Amino acid sequence: DAGVTQSPTHLIKTRGQHVTLRCSPISGHKSVSWYQQVLGQGPQFIFQYYEKEERGRGNFPDRFSARQFPNYSSELNVNALLLGDSALYLCASSIRDNTEAFFGQGTRLTVV
Amino acid sequence: QQQVKQSPQSLIVQKGGISIINCAYENTAFDYFPWYQQFPGKGPALLIAIRPDVSEKKEGRFTISFNKSAKQFSLHIMDSQPGDSATYFCAALFGNEKLTFGTGTRLTIIP
Repeated sequence: DAGVTQSPTHLIKTRGQHVTLRCSPISGHKSVSWYQQVLGQGPQFIFQYYEKEERGRGNFPDRFSARQFPNYSSELNVNALLLGDSALYLCASSIRDNTEAFFGQGTRLTVV
Repeated sequence: QQQVKQSPQSLIVQKGGISIINCAYENTAFDYFPWYQQFPGKGPALLIAIRPDVSEKKEGRFTISFNKSAKQFSLHIMDSQPGDSATYFCAALFGNEKLTFGTGTRLTIIP
């Protein structure tokens, strides 16, 4: 069975640009969460979606947005990129809530 | 506000030894405590998890010890192997809320 897949794996963007990151959850999983992991730190929660509805939002500016599609895949969008947005962006899927959440390999975003 | 404190930040253990990583939490509403293992360039992988109604859970060489009254839990890796060298994160969850992670422990197993 395929695990959580994220695309792209690496991305370099210029300050001020916009980026879209994509995530496909494990088959049968209806909940998708997004996390930001800065080098040397633990993942920080950004969003959770369940059944296409936003269930939770972390302490991130409005430049960050996300959505979940009918097939339960998800996109994370970040506008007006800042140098500080450089991080590993992780997607986690789970059946319903965040117990037994499985992470993808992440998207390494570098803002220059 | 950091709700899960993890220590030590780094740990070096000899092959065959016991690795112990500790976490403490503040929110007594947390009811699920997983541990994740992360290798460089990879996403975190769920290792083992516990709920507060039990004091210990063992899976192979990995054991979680849980002390509800002290609001602490720890990961023990028995017979540590070089392949266990990775960064370990504890986390806590309340109901349908987000996973709150510790700051991570970089574990190095030396021959």
